[in-house]
Amino acid sequence: GENVEQHPSTLSVQEGDSAVIKCTYSDSASNYFPWYKQELGKRPQLIIDIRSNVGEKKDQRIAVTLNKTAKHFSLHITETQPEDSAVYFCAGDSGNTPLVFGKGTRLSVIA
Amino acid sequence: SAVISQKPSRDICQRGTSLTIQCQVDSQVTMMFWYRQQPGQSLTLIATANQGSEATYESGFVIDKFPISRPNLTFSTLTVSNMSPEDSSIYLCSVIGLGGTEAFFGQGTRLTVV
Repeated sequence: GENVEQHPSTLSVQEGDSAVIKCTYSDSASNYFPWYKQELGKRPQLIIDIRSNVGEKKDQRIAVTLNKTAKHFSLHITETQPEDSAVYFCAGDSGNTPLVFGKGTRLSVIA
Repeated sequence: SAVISQKPSRDICQRGTSLTIQCQVDSQVTMMFWYRQQPGQSLTLIATANQGSEATYESGFVIDKFPISRPNLTFSTLTVSNMSPEDSSIYLCSVIGLGGTEAFFGQGTRLTVV
């Protein structure tokens, strides 16, 4: 089955700097890669996703890149703000299967 | 997007008892899942709730401990049976809507077993 590895487990950045979180996956059949943000005590919320036929996707300050050959994808957050502080999870899905999540990255944006 | 109502939101239970968690969606969905999230940890899939048939359990989770029902396309329950303190965790319902791939989550049930 799918295995998703996520790094780093914790990340601290100064407000205004960029943050990058990386994930690798094992199942070459996986074709959907969402990113979730989970604030303390709240449910995970989808912030961006990418499919295997696309190499990059951007939504305002958030972007995701995908390298199918290397089986890794990354989340990029630019101009970070304190409200970006949360736990971020990557996930992989090979279609009609449950999402397999990475272990999460705790991002702290220091004002 | 699907609106998911999960209840209870939290409970404190005595060991040896059982708790049933409900997940109600406002629209028909193709797939429903149950996850467990221990404090500070990632989401671990317990099972896929199948409409009208037995749930599909992941390794390490069994039906006797976590019986699941899904009588229709919008409702599912997860029971945590014969609870022990190790079952203390957050349990989350997740759904994928018809024709979509995005997974939505319920607000979670924070279970404490004493």
